[in-house]
Parts: sequence; C-alpha cells; structure tokens
Amino acid sequence: DAGVIQSPRHEVTEMGQEVTLRCKPISGHNSLFWYRQTMMRGLELLIYFNNNVPIDDSGMPEDRFSAKMPNASFSTLKIQPSEPRDSAVYFCASSRDSSNEKLFFGSGTQLSVL
Amino acid sequence: QQPVQSPQAVILREGEDAVINCSSSKALYSVHWYRQKHGEAPVFLMILLKGGEQKGHEKISASFNEKKQQSSLYLTASQLSYSGTYFCGTGGGSTLGRLYFGRGTQLTVWP
Repeated sequence: DAGVIQSPRHEVTEMGQEVTLRCKPISGHNSLFWYRQTMMRGLELLIYFNNNVPIDDSGMPEDRFSAKMPNASFSTLKIQPSEPRDSAVYFCASSRDSSNEKLFFGSGTQLSVL
Repeated sequence: QQPVQSPQAVILREGEDAVINCSSSKALYSVHWYRQKHGEAPVFLMILLKGGEQKGHEKISASFNEKKQQSSLYLTASQLSYSGTYFCGTGGGSTLGRLYFGRGTQLTVWP
C-alpha cells in the first residue's frame, strides 16, 4: 500500500500565479480531506469529500480556492490567483469512510508564494 | 469549532509521564489523537468514540469523557521517540466529516 500520495512536495511560485496541488488517496478509501497547516492557525480543515462529492467546503478561505475530485483516485486543490498569505503546508488525508475512522495523511505540499 | 489543547508545550526527561488535555465547546462524537514529527505528516495514534472508553497504544493511552466534552492523552515512561507535536481532532456525529484539530502540544523528551 503506497499510502496517500501528494504532489508536488514543494512549490515556490510568485504572487498572482495559479497553483495546483494533487492528491491520490489510498485505494478503497471513500473520504478525502484537504488541510492547511500554518504556525498561526495550526491544522485547518479546508474541504471534505465523501464518495467524490464535496460534503463540506466551509473551510475554504476564499473564492480563490477550489477543489475537485473527478474520480475516487484523484483530487486537486487549486489556488488562483495565489497570494503570499497562502504560504503553508497543505495536507491531503483519506479515510475508509468518514471522520470516525482514522485518517491517513500524505507527506504534504510545502507552498511558498513570493 | 477548534478544540483547545493544554498544555502548549511539555519538556520531559526519558522515563517521565505526561498528560495532554483536549476540550471542546461542542458535543463530541469522536476524538482522534495524532503525533507529528518535525517536517513530517501527522500519524494516527488512536480514536475514541462516544462511550467514555479508554484506549491504549503501547505506553500511550487516552480517555474520553463525553459529558465534559474532553479527552486526555496519557504518556507513561516516555521515550525519546515520543518527541513531537500531539494533536487532538474532534468530530461531532451530526457533522460527519468535519474533523477539527487543536493547535497541538509540543512534547520534547530529553535523555
């Protein structure tokens, strides 16, 4: 089992550019979560999918952020346009069914917006 | 929505014990505990579901008091490998999927 796979591991971009983060959940997992981690705010839940359907996107900070899950094995988080305050580590996590089961986290994407 | 963890930081000598607390202003259905080492992803330790049960994982155990809406993580006879940041995550049964994490407790174990 390869675990949750995120790409890229590091992303450095300039303000105003579009950024796309990718995630492949563990096969057979029905729930997928995107979290953002910063020193100031800790781990923030951005959006949660269940069976490829967005269930709760109340944590998405602004319209600049969007997430999709076109199939059970792939999800993207897009920021357009990016701003320096978006700099953070973005984690994708999956679980078999819901938040009442353990989450498996990917290695994260370290995003730096200059 | 974010649970409150205490203390923010703990420094221990190898072999000493520690308790990390997690409390919520909302009714809880589940409490997760994760450990994150610097530069790595959080790793699952245990999950406690509504029912007040206590769980154990090696020398790490946790309790869940749903009436008080709080959970505690107990680390006994700490080892150097226990160093890291511990997060509790809380979920409400009616808000399935919304797992909110606390700010974390940084644990440092010295030899």
